[in-house]
Amino acid sequence: GQQVMQIPQYQHVQEGEDFTTYCNSSTTLSNIQWYKQRPGGHPVFLIQLVKSGEVKKQKRLTFQFGEAKKNSSLHITATQTTDVGTYFCAGPREETSGSRLTFGEGTQLTVNP
Amino acid sequence: GAVVSQHPSWVICKSGTSVKIECRSLDFQATTMFWYRQFPKQSLMLMATSNEGSKATYEQGVEKDKFLINHASLTLSTLTVTSAHPEDSSFYICSAQDVGGLGETQYFGPGTRLLVL
Repeated sequence: GQQVMQIPQYQHVQEGEDFTTYCNSSTTLSNIQWYKQRPGGHPVFLIQLVKSGEVKKQKRLTFQFGEAKKNSSLHITATQTTDVGTYFCAGPREETSGSRLTFGEGTQLTVNP
Repeated sequence: GAVVSQHPSWVICKSGTSVKIECRSLDFQATTMFWYRQFPKQSLMLMATSNEGSKATYEQGVEKDKFLINHASLTLSTLTVTSAHPEDSSFYICSAQDVGGLGETQYFGPGTRLLVL
């Protein structure tokens, strides 16, 4: 079945350093979404990428969708303590019209002040 | 916009009792809602897809008689954990799909932490 994998599983950085998490799908995706879950909280939608090779920015966050629409990345420039949390990518299930999502395992980011 | 609420946020119950969790979309209509469970430091595992006015679609390995889902209106879905046991202790999160939004984008509720003693 469809698999969505994320690396690394954990990342510890010093405040001010950059951070990148990578997401890879076993199948081509119609779109990919990114969510952030703070410790003890619930996932919050960050962004959706649809086009091949698409790059979107949200302040210090840069999201990229691969040309083959099977991989994606999230890059945070100059991390802050407020960036702490687990970042999940998610893609629509291949066998459906797109309602159900398959989530990656997430990358847990900790930022040392 | 796109706010989803869940109630209760915490519940502790004795083994064998049933627990009902409500998920509401507060400012939009959701024909489709999803129920997930999440164990500590793990990803979200989809349990079932709840469609307004029809039966829920359960993921493989999820017992439909154990986890009863009702989606009675476009703004409310409920999950009832029947005869709960300690292994059912988990973080249960619902999400709702905004019909007028970005297609498959899901908005998550704050979650319900269930502890079965």
